Amino acid sequence: NAGVMQNPRHLVRRRGQEARLRCSPMKGHSHVYWYRQLPEEGLKFMVYLQKENIIDESGMPKERFSAEFPKEGPSILRIQQVVRGDSAAYFCASSPGPRGRNTIYFGEGSWLTVV
Amino acid sequence: AQRVTQPEKLLSVFKGAPVELKCNYSYSGSPELFWYVQYSRQRLQLLLRHISRESIKGFTADLNKGETSFHLKKPFAQEEDSAMYYCALSGNAGGTSYGKLTFGQGTILTVHP
Repeated sequence: NAGVMQNPRHLVRRRGQEARLRCSPMKGHSHVYWYRQLPEEGLKFMVYLQKENIIDESGMPKERFSAEFPKEGPSILRIQQVVRGDSAAYFCASSPGPRGRNTIYFGEGSWLTVV
Repeated sequence: AQRVTQPEKLLSVFKGAPVELKCNYSYSGSPELFWYVQYSRQRLQLLLRHISRESIKGFTADLNKGETSFHLKKPFAQEEDSAMYYCALSGNAGGTSYGKLTFGQGTILTVHP
């Protein structure tokens, strides 16, 4: 099992461009979570998705950010019109299901730098 | 609201010394607590969960509901323990948002030779 795969690992964007971060969950996992780690801060929950559904997006900024987890393919976190404050590490995690004592597994993160 | 506090941003010890990383939480229900470790720019790895009551790499942590704490301890630190450690809380254990964790700000542990 290859684990949670995120790409790109590093992404540089100019202000105003779009950033797309991809996450392929572990095999057999249908639940995906995105977290953001700002410089000097801990990880903050952004969004929780199942296949084709957003379950909890309480941590997503109201504008410019969106996430999807289509029936086929990876989950994508999309940031439109990036600003310097979006520079952060974005971590994806997955789990096989929401109930019981499932452990979530993290990817290695995608580091976004906005110049 | 749920909150996790790790009061020490940096912690330095010498090899062989005991180490304790502090974690306090705030949650009105019955939380599930975790410790995650992140080695330099790598993925977060689950180190401990309080329901397991196990010891991983010599680390233990006990949930103290009276003090709302979940401190991480190791009696003899090793150089390879140097990493970032995060305490995390899940307020909906077994529920529909199990993977929604609230993290502390992390403690960078440095173990000197």
